[in-house]
Amino acid sequence: GAGVSQSPSNKVTEKGKDVELRCDPISGHTALYWYRQSLGQGLEFLIYFQGNSAPDKSGLPSDRFSAERTGGSVSTLTIQRTQQEDSAVYLCASSLGAGETQYFGPGTRLLVL
Amino acid sequence: AQSVTQLGSHVSVSEGALVLLRCNYSSSVPPYLFWYVQYPNQGLQLLLKYTSAATLVKGINGFEAEFKKSETSFHLTKPSAHMSDAAEYFCAVSETLPDKLIFGTGTRLQVFP
Repeated sequence: GAGVSQSPSNKVTEKGKDVELRCDPISGHTALYWYRQSLGQGLEFLIYFQGNSAPDKSGLPSDRFSAERTGGSVSTLTIQRTQQEDSAVYLCASSLGAGETQYFGPGTRLLVL
Repeated sequence: AQSVTQLGSHVSVSEGALVLLRCNYSSSVPPYLFWYVQYPNQGLQLLLKYTSAATLVKGINGFEAEFKKSETSFHLTKPSAHMSDAAEYFCAVSETLPDKLIFGTGTRLQVFP
């Protein structure tokens, strides 16, 4: 696997449902980031992981958003009770460590009806 | 707080013409600065980054950017546009570790034959 992969590539859900978005970082990358790209807000930082811990969760927009990372690799971003304003492209990035270049995945396009 | 301003949400040039995409930043400490490109339905790809080593930074695909502290600018240029340069370009700043990226609103570049 050469790059960051994300799944699903597209997700359509109904308002009020929970969704899980997955990110597989580049092998060996210890840092992992989630960003959100929406028409109204542009590109926004959500959360940062170093290993399995999240020292910076400052960008999570509400307590409906949570994320975890296990085994220092795969990360899951969960959105509970989705709202229409959650519709966006969710981007994941990884890097060798803090201060290193971030490599982005193709994103998950989420549409909440 | 860090911020980035990209002047011009859309820029149109003819093939072979100079490309100039503007970026101004606000940062309380010497920043790290980045330009990313996003092709349709793809993730973000790093074009170049400034990390205080040299003020003129050369990137991929013939792009370069110059860091000007006095003007708080990091404009992206390319001497001769190619049709394949049509994409959206994002300027970003990072000044703290962990190095979350703060993005500008993006500039969509169109290249006409």
